[in-house]
Amino acid sequence: DAGVIQSPRHEVTEMGQEVTLRCKPISGHNSLFWYRQTMMRGLELLIYFNNNVPIDDSGMPEDRFSAKMPNASFSTLKIQPSEPRDSAVYFCASRRRTSGGDYTQYFGPGTRLTVL
Amino acid sequence: AQTVTQSQPEMSVQEAETVTLSCTYDTSESDYYLFWYKQPPSRQMILVIRQEAYKQQNATENRFSVNFQKAAKSFSLKISDSQLGDAAMYFCAYRSYNLNFGNEKLTFGTGTRLTIIP
Repeated sequence: DAGVIQSPRHEVTEMGQEVTLRCKPISGHNSLFWYRQTMMRGLELLIYFNNNVPIDDSGMPEDRFSAKMPNASFSTLKIQPSEPRDSAVYFCASRRRTSGGDYTQYFGPGTRLTVL
Repeated sequence: AQTVTQSQPEMSVQEAETVTLSCTYDTSESDYYLFWYKQPPSRQMILVIRQEAYKQQNATENRFSVNFQKAAKSFSLKISDSQLGDAAMYFCAYRSYNLNFGNEKLTFGTGTRLTIIP
């Protein structure tokens, strides 16, 4: 099976521009997570979805960030407008959410975002 | 809230030797999951090993094993016969057993950078 797929792998943009990060979870997984990794704050959860529904978005830093999951095989994380402090590696992870099932989150390769 | 502490920012080990990475956590829950993830220079987060808190037996995956001390809230990772490919950042992570709202998230430690000396 293919793992979690993220695109782009690298994104360089200028302050004020809109940025869209994309994620395709592992087929059959019904929970999806967006994490951000920075030197200052480490790995932190931004938002997660169960069955395409956002469950906990308390980690989303501010209104400039939004996430959607229009179907079971695709999610986006959008930053508008972007700021230099948004520079980080953004990870998507997925999990099959069943009782007694595999509770492990499997991570994508990440998107390194640089905002100039 | 749960916290995860990795007190060793950096560790090094001679190739073929054994190294132990430390992790402690704080929680009021009795059931939970613990993980070790590896992040090589490629940045990919790779699951190394996982442990259910209700299981007394320590998890083992080939050269990787854990020492889970529930009362002490300690979850260390032992890597035996270290190989050059083991060089990476290692993150300890906690997840609640309860699947209620907000409990799905992984809480990560700050990581330990492991260097393998040839």
